[in-house]
Formats: sequence, C-alpha cells, structure tokens
Amino acid sequence: DAGVTQSPTHLIKTRGQQVTLRCSPISGHKSVSWYQQVLGQGPQFIFQYYEKEERGRGNFPDRFSARQFPNYSSELNVNALLLGDSALYLCASSLVGGNEQFFGPGTRLTVL
Amino acid sequence: KNQVEQSPQSLIILEGKNCTLQCNYTVSPFSNLRWYKQDTGRGPVSLTIMTFSENTKSNGRYTATLDADTKQSSLHITASQLSDSASYICVVIPMNTGFQKLVFGTGTRLLVSP
Repeated sequence: DAGVTQSPTHLIKTRGQQVTLRCSPISGHKSVSWYQQVLGQGPQFIFQYYEKEERGRGNFPDRFSARQFPNYSSELNVNALLLGDSALYLCASSLVGGNEQFFGPGTRLTVL
Repeated sequence: KNQVEQSPQSLIILEGKNCTLQCNYTVSPFSNLRWYKQDTGRGPVSLTIMTFSENTKSNGRYTATLDADTKQSSLHITASQLSDSASYICVVIPMNTGFQKLVFGTGTRLLVSP
C-alpha cells in the first residue's frame, strides 16, 4: 500500500510568484495536515483538513491557503512568495481520531 | 521560548557505540510524546509513541523514556549503525487540541561515523 505522496519533489520559484503543492494521503485516511520545515528547524504546523473543511490553522499569513478534495487529497497554495518561504513542505495524513500521523517525503521549495 | 527543546544540537559517534538524545518540554498537559527519525530532505518517520502515563517504549535498538514529573524524555540508541545518521525530533501533542497539533522540537542531528 502506498504511503503519503507529494508532488512535486522539488520546485524553484521567484519572489512574488504563486505555488501549488499537492498531497495524496494514505488510502483510508481522511485527515491531512501541512507543515513547513525551514532548514535546521523542526516542522511548523500550517493547516489541518478533515472532510474538506479546515480544522486547524497555525500562525501563517493569509498568503497561505489550502483545500481538501472529495478523495481526501489536498493542495497547499502560497501566493506572493517571499524568500523566507523557502522550506521543505510536509504533508501528513491520519485516521480521524487516530494517534499516528504519517508523513510524506515533502516538497522542497526554493524561492529566489 | 520553544516549548520543546532538544540537546545536543548535533552529535558524532562511532559505529557500534550507544548514544542518548535529550528532550525537555514545557507543553502541559499533553496526550503523548513521540520521537521521529528524519533523513535529510525526507519526511519524519515515527520511532516511538508514549502516552503521558508511560515511562518507556522500545522499538528495536531505539528506547525512549519519559519522566512526566521533570518533563524530560530521552531516546537511547544501542549499537549504532551508519543508517542511524539522521535528525531525531521530539514531538509533543498537547491535550485537547483537536486534530493532533504536534509541537516539534528542533531536532538533534546524529552522524554515525565508520
């Protein structure tokens, strides 16, 4: 059974551009969370979605948005990119009420 | 101040040796504490999960301990292997936060040298 998948694996953008990152959860998992991990630091929580609704949001500006689709896959959008948005973006899926999150391999975003 | 602090920041050990990584946290109350292994550029992989009432949990050569009184946890790696080279992240989940809002430490970067 496939784990959490994310695409693309790497991405290079310039300041001011917009980016969309994609995540497919493990089959049967309905909850998806997004994290930003800046080099040398631990991941920071961005969003959590369940049943296509936002269930939690971290301390990130409105330039960050996300959505979840009927098949429970998810997209993270970042507008007006800044240099500081360069990071590894991780997606994690879980069963609703479960005590384990499974992380994808991440998307490495570089903003020049 | 980070609610989950780890030490040391980095560590180099020889293959076959043991090591212990430390995690101090202020998150309270919490439902469980986890240790993850993260290879460079990859997503974290869970090693151990302990509830607030557990003292120790093992997973092969990895043994985690938890002292809820002192708010400390440690991860002990026995007979290290080259493949153990990675970052090890301590994660605490606050009680009653709904859908798993994990609080991550900044990690300890371990290098196992031949």
